[in-house]
Amino acid sequence: AQTVTQSQPEMSVQEAETVTLSCTYDTSESDYYLFWYKQPPSRQMILVIRQEAYKQQNATENRFSVNFQKAAKSFSLKISDSQLGDAAMYFCAYRRYNSGNTPLVFGKGTRLSVIA
Amino acid sequence: ETGVTQSPTHLIKTRGQQVTLRCSSQSGHNTVSWYQQALGQGPQFIFQYYREEENGRGNFPPRFSGLQFPNYSSELNVNALELDDSALYLCASSEMNRGLGGYTFGSGTRLTVV
Repeated sequence: AQTVTQSQPEMSVQEAETVTLSCTYDTSESDYYLFWYKQPPSRQMILVIRQEAYKQQNATENRFSVNFQKAAKSFSLKISDSQLGDAAMYFCAYRRYNSGNTPLVFGKGTRLSVIA
Repeated sequence: ETGVTQSPTHLIKTRGQQVTLRCSSQSGHNTVSWYQQALGQGPQFIFQYYREEENGRGNFPPRFSGLQFPNYSSELNVNALELDDSALYLCASSEMNRGLGGYTFGSGTRLTVV
């Protein structure tokens, strides 16, 4: 079974600074997807960024970027120019590739605080 | 384009009772998945429905059951509630075979069992 591990229960960052959230996963599959989701106090899971395992190039979405190391099974999220609105729970998630819709496997999350 | 709507937002039930949670999927989405998020944990997959049939299930007992309707909305039913069922229940809709991502989550139902 696939597992996702987030080793940082809590992180904090100064406004406008950069922070990196860590994620490792375990799988025997070669084709899969990886995601970072943000969950603010409103509770809705919001997709931040996604990566296809067959792509070597790291995904980037504005201030958010990932460092995908397939051999090491590592998938960290870097948030640049942190803003107060970035404060939330961040979940790393894995999804096995399949022709159908496979379920997401989540880590336990990292609570990010942004200090003004 | 409407998002995923869940009702109710909060619910308190007594141990042993039954509960029904509801989810309206995003327009154009034909697949609905349910997740349980215990306090301080990441969401865990309960099951998925596609074309009104269960299309995958996580490690949850049979007292967790569901339905999907022709309009793709869905219900999650939990019988014989236990204290450990207290959690946030999230619904996510998607298009089957959409591939990368494509999941839209609702804001969840907070269930408290006392």
